Amino acid sequence: EDQVTQSPEALRLQEGESSSLNCSYTVSGLRGLFWYRQDPGKGPEFLFTLYSAGEEKEKERLKATLTKKESFLHITAPKPEDSATYLCAVQVTGGGNKLTFGTGTQLKVEL
Amino acid sequence: SAVISQKPSRDICQRGTSLTIQCQVDSQVTMMFWYRQQPGQSLTLIATANQGSEATYESGFVIDKFPISRPNLTFSTLTVSNMSPEDSSIYLCSVVSESWNEQFFGPGTRLTVL
Repeated sequence: EDQVTQSPEALRLQEGESSSLNCSYTVSGLRGLFWYRQDPGKGPEFLFTLYSAGEEKEKERLKATLTKKESFLHITAPKPEDSATYLCAVQVTGGGNKLTFGTGTQLKVEL
Repeated sequence: SAVISQKPSRDICQRGTSLTIQCQVDSQVTMMFWYRQQPGQSLTLIATANQGSEATYESGFVIDKFPISRPNLTFSTLTVSNMSPEDSSIYLCSVVSESWNEQFFGPGTRLTVL
């Protein structure tokens, strides 16, 4: 069975304090790994898709990396507006476009 | 990116009743998806809705409980039938981009069943 585990469940940072969120996965075959941001009361906002080990993508203060077993979302010098729940999801080969999600990391960035 | 709207944004319903949720996309898309996000949990795929064919349901979800319509390439509905408090969730529709490497979500419908 395909599994996605995110850690930590919750993370509190001071503004400017860089850190990383982890997404480890166990799948039969990875087609793509997706990162989303979700604000309270809203739908997930697409951030990145990664396809192969060694791939990296960046957007503003966020950088996503991928290995054969896990993905990291690095947040550099975070600001309070980066506070949200970050979700990771996998698409597996033979699974069509179905996304299997982890339970998310709730990030709070304080002044 | 696709712009997705859902109606209603939230509702409070009595047990035993049904609610139909609408999803409208600003462009034509081949596949639309319905997800559920129960309180404190992550998203789970309910079904995939293709235009012109019956929806494909994931394990644990059945058509009698969650009938889906897909009358055209920009619209879909999900009905939650004979509701119980366990159906209280956020229901989200989702579409895949033309390039197939991005998947976008609507704002969700927050359902509370009393």
